[in-house]
Amino acid sequence: QVHLQESGPGLVKPSETLSLTCTVSGASVRSGSYYWTWIRQSPGMRLEWIGLIDDSGITNYNPSLLSRVTISADTSDNRVSLRLTSVTSADTAVYYCARVRPVGGNFRFDSWGPGSLVSVSA
Amino acid sequence: DVQVTQSPSSLSASVGDRVTITCRTSQDVENFLNWFQQKPGEAPRLLISDASTLEAGLPSRFSGSGSGTDFTFTISSLQPEDFATYFCQQTHHFPISFGQGTRLDIK
Repeated sequence: QVHLQESGPGLVKPSETLSLTCTVSGASVRSGSYYWTWIRQSPGMRLEWIGLIDDSGITNYNPSLLSRVTISADTSDNRVSLRLTSVTSADTAVYYCARVRPVGGNFRFDSWGPGSLVSVSA
Repeated sequence: DVQVTQSPSSLSASVGDRVTITCRTSQDVENFLNWFQQKPGEAPRLLISDASTLEAGLPSRFSGSGSGTDFTFTISSLQPEDFATYFCQQTHHFPISFGQGTRLDIK
């Protein structure tokens, strides 16, 4: 059974860089069967897809964040990382990592971490 | 970008009721439409993928249908543990996008 756990600072200052790590157990981040993704949810707002990384290390990002976001996978530690630069208060949200099962053209977000609340404030 | 619109935004119902939530996409997404359940303080949980495929181990009172731009999610007989927020998601076009959610409350 796969388990995902997000970790990182709960408070980031405006204009600085948000860095989160998703530690994966029970599956390999370089498995040919799965991709990995980040999603965020602002208080009272809808879920926003941030981006994903496939089993070859190829990434696909939401254009709304493209200039600021990087997702990477570390096979030695079996972790997936998120980096978001130049943050503002609009980036305050709960950040989730999730496993993606690509099946027949669909992307099934089938396992999620519990989420990590990140607040952007001076 | 594909806009995903759910209705209603909120819904009050009683245990045993049949409830239906609709999801409309601004472009054809074929059947690449998924449904999630989220309870307060928890991560979303995938319930249905490919518009109508129930995830393994989940009760059959959950069902989904539709294709193209119009989709429905139904709970045939509400149970106490079903009171939550439900989201639809399209994955046919990047960027992947979610509906705004439907909050299901106890009447």
